[in-house]
Amino acid sequence: DGGITQSPKYLFRKEGQNVTLSCEQNLNHDAMYWYRQDPGQGLRLIYYSQIVNDFQKGDIAEGYSVSREKKESFPLTVTSAQKNPTAFYLCASSLGRREVGNEQFFGPGTRLTVL
Amino acid sequence: EDKVVQSPLSLVVHEGDTVTLNCSYEVTNFRSLLWYKQEKKAPTFLFMLTSSGIEKKSGRLSSILDKKELFSILNITATQTGDSAVYLCAVELNYGQNFVFGPGTRLSVLP
Repeated sequence: DGGITQSPKYLFRKEGQNVTLSCEQNLNHDAMYWYRQDPGQGLRLIYYSQIVNDFQKGDIAEGYSVSREKKESFPLTVTSAQKNPTAFYLCASSLGRREVGNEQFFGPGTRLTVL
Repeated sequence: EDKVVQSPLSLVVHEGDTVTLNCSYEVTNFRSLLWYKQEKKAPTFLFMLTSSGIEKKSGRLSSILDKKELFSILNITATQTGDSAVYLCAVELNYGQNFVFGPGTRLSVLP
């Protein structure tokens, strides 16, 4: 089955620790995205990548880092510099083609709680 | 600054009612507008709109885009309790394959 997987589903961490959230897709999509969702709010873009070995900051990149070493994988690290990391994190992917509109497919999300 | 606004933010109706959700946008490089339904976790895709005035339909849901007035509406007829969700509107920008999301409309359908 094609799709996007995220792990873990729930994650707890202590203040001051870095933590990495996994995102994998087997849809052969070029573009991948990380969003943060806080209660009662829409999705805010953290980072996105259009191609392997390239990524761009979104609106709220401070305190986060990413890598895109493989087309299928786009892990997100939440660093200790992120002031308020408790949130629901969603990974998405899309074909990323310039000629047509692109639908995003979303993973099931990771709920991060900082204790 | 690119912006997507949705209204109302919250809506409570009874089964069988018809609802209209609104999405307006101000962006510099529009490519498409998308509607998603989010229940507990991942948003699921409903519609993608790129051209003005062409209605897209899927069962009891329909949507239309007005690129001159910069808005879209999502209609749900004969609502059911299973329609209860947050409905997200997003605009795809014409550069960087970037997407801007609105805050969502939380729809609650009571039996």
